[in-house]
Parts: sequence; C-alpha cells; structure tokens
Amino acid sequence: DGGITQSPKYLFRKEGQNVTLSCEQNLNHDAMYWYRQDPGQGLRLIYYSQIVNDFQKGDIAEGYSVSREKKESFPLTVTSAQKNPTAFYLCASSLQREYEQYFGPGTRLTVT
Amino acid sequence: KQEVTQIPAALSVPEGENLVLNCSFTDSAIYNLQWFRQDPGKGLTSLLLIQSSQREQTSGRLNASLDKSSGRSTLYIAASQPGDSATYLCAVRLGNSGGSNYKLTFGKGTLLTVNP
Repeated sequence: DGGITQSPKYLFRKEGQNVTLSCEQNLNHDAMYWYRQDPGQGLRLIYYSQIVNDFQKGDIAEGYSVSREKKESFPLTVTSAQKNPTAFYLCASSLQREYEQYFGPGTRLTVT
Repeated sequence: KQEVTQIPAALSVPEGENLVLNCSFTDSAIYNLQWFRQDPGKGLTSLLLIQSSQREQTSGRLNASLDKSSGRSTLYIAASQPGDSATYLCAVRLGNSGGSNYKLTFGKGTLLTVNP
C-alpha cells in the first residue's frame, strides 16, 4: 500500500523545546517537501529536497531544519528559534521536482 | 512573485447542482497547475494536474480547464454530492528553467458545502 505517512498526528510541546516531525514515503519518489498551513493562509513551503543528502530552503525556513539521509525519509525539526510554531505541517513527495505532488495526512503541532 | 487567488472563498450549493470554482494567477509562465481537495484536519488529495500545453483535464465528474494567457483555471464539478464538501485548493508551478520549478504556489482555497 503505497503512500506518505506522517507521525504523530497530534504533537504538543512546551515553548523552548525542539521537536521532530516524521515523514516517510514508499512511492520511490526523489523529491520531498515540507509545508506549513495556517488558518486563512495558503500553504507555505518550508524546505524542499530533490535527492538524498540535498535540500533547499523554501519561503519560511527560519527556525526549521531538515535532513535527507534516506530516499524514503525527510524529517523536519522545529527548533526553539521558530517564533510561532503552532500550525498544521504537511509533507509531500513527487517523482521528480516538476511532477505531481502527493501529500501525507499532516501533523498538528501545538506549542504552549 | 507569483500570486494565486481563488474566488469565491466559500460556496454553498444544493445537491445535484453543477458548479465552477475559479483560480487566477499573476505570472502566466507556468509549468503546470494542480487542483487539490482537503477535508477538515486532513492532508491534500490531488484531483487533477494540467500541463501548460493542455487546455483541460477530466476525471469522473471533475473537469479542470486552463487558460494560460489570461492567468485562469476553473474546476467544474458536475452533479454535486454532499461528499464533495471540502476545501478545494489550486496550486501553480512556475515554468522557468532556473531551477525553481519545484515550487508550488497555493491559493487560499474555496470552501465548498453541498447541502442534501
């Protein structure tokens, strides 16, 4: 059963703590993406990875970090430097960068 | 900078009605355009992808059209059903060869409610 999984579905953290969101895909896609969604706003790109061990900043990368050590996995760390981390985080992948993007179910992060 | 606008922001229709959702974009040099559906609290489901060279794409009761020169796309839903209730998002990928054609620019979506 191919697809993209994100875990956990809900995540709660105290302010000042780093937290890592998981994203795994078994679609054999080269490209992976992290987006953030806030109420009343469109999705905004945080980071993008075209291949293993390569990634680029998106529009709102400040306060976030990623790694891409395996093709299947693209974890996102929300650091304490991110000023407003509470949001819905979506991971996506595509066969190559210009192809159709497929999304995971999302992780809702709440920081208090 | 590419901007994507979706009108209306919300739409409520009775079951069985045909409807059109609109998407406009400011930079016509696009590579492709993708329509998504999002249910509350869920991820996005890809509905249709239209390449810049295409005028329309169809999937079941859905038909998406693209007019690149005027910067517009429409999503037509025939014979709407309560299960079609969701937020519909339009996203545009720029076509420049400078390496940025990975990026999708999203509209804020149209919230569709189909009443039984």
